[in-house]
Amino acid sequence: GIQVEQSPPDLILQEGANSTLRCNFSDSVNNLQWFHQNPWGQLINLFYIPSGTKQNGRLSATTVATERYSLLYISSSQTTDSGVYFCAVPRTGTYKYIFGTGTRLKVLA
Amino acid sequence: DAEITQSPRHKITETGRQVTLACHQTWNHNNMFWYRQDLGHGLRLIHYSYGVQDTNKGEVSDGYSVSRSNTEDLPLTLESAASSQTSVYFCASSDRGNTEAFFGQGTRLTVV
Repeated sequence: GIQVEQSPPDLILQEGANSTLRCNFSDSVNNLQWFHQNPWGQLINLFYIPSGTKQNGRLSATTVATERYSLLYISSSQTTDSGVYFCAVPRTGTYKYIFGTGTRLKVLA
Repeated sequence: DAEITQSPRHKITETGRQVTLACHQTWNHNNMFWYRQDLGHGLRLIHYSYGVQDTNKGEVSDGYSVSRSNTEDLPLTLESAASSQTSVYFCASSDRGNTEAFFGQGTRLTVV
């Protein structure tokens, strides 16, 4: 089945720094989502981005489906950005999401 | 606003008891899912449904069951709770077609 890998597994930043998180997937997909799991455990939808680039405030995401990767950019990081970032893609031909193992981000004040 | 809600948010139960976790969505989505999240395993699919009366097993379905009697609800039942089922459970929904999935707040279940 499809494999989803995220890097780096852990990231520590000073407040104000920029970062790039990567999601690689092993098969072609027609859907991809990025989530932020905050310290209280909630999964927050960040982007639904099958292809192209989207921006939402300090966050943006790019998916290059033909090359099987997606990037999440966080600019001017804040302590509230801390948590775990997941990407997820559906199994081919289904609506069932496969999650990556996540990137744990800690932003220091 | 449409939403997806899980209840309870926290539960402690004893080994061998039957437990039901509720999931309710108001988007009128066809697709509903249950995942569990454990350290070292990420989120894994337990059961899913693509519509009323439709239910399917996911990758970690042993010891769990679901039923879909209406569009809004997909309750998850642990037939005889085991300590290995201590986990955080997430419910999700999405509409037909390749559309965005939305997750509930999660239920933290502890089996003692």
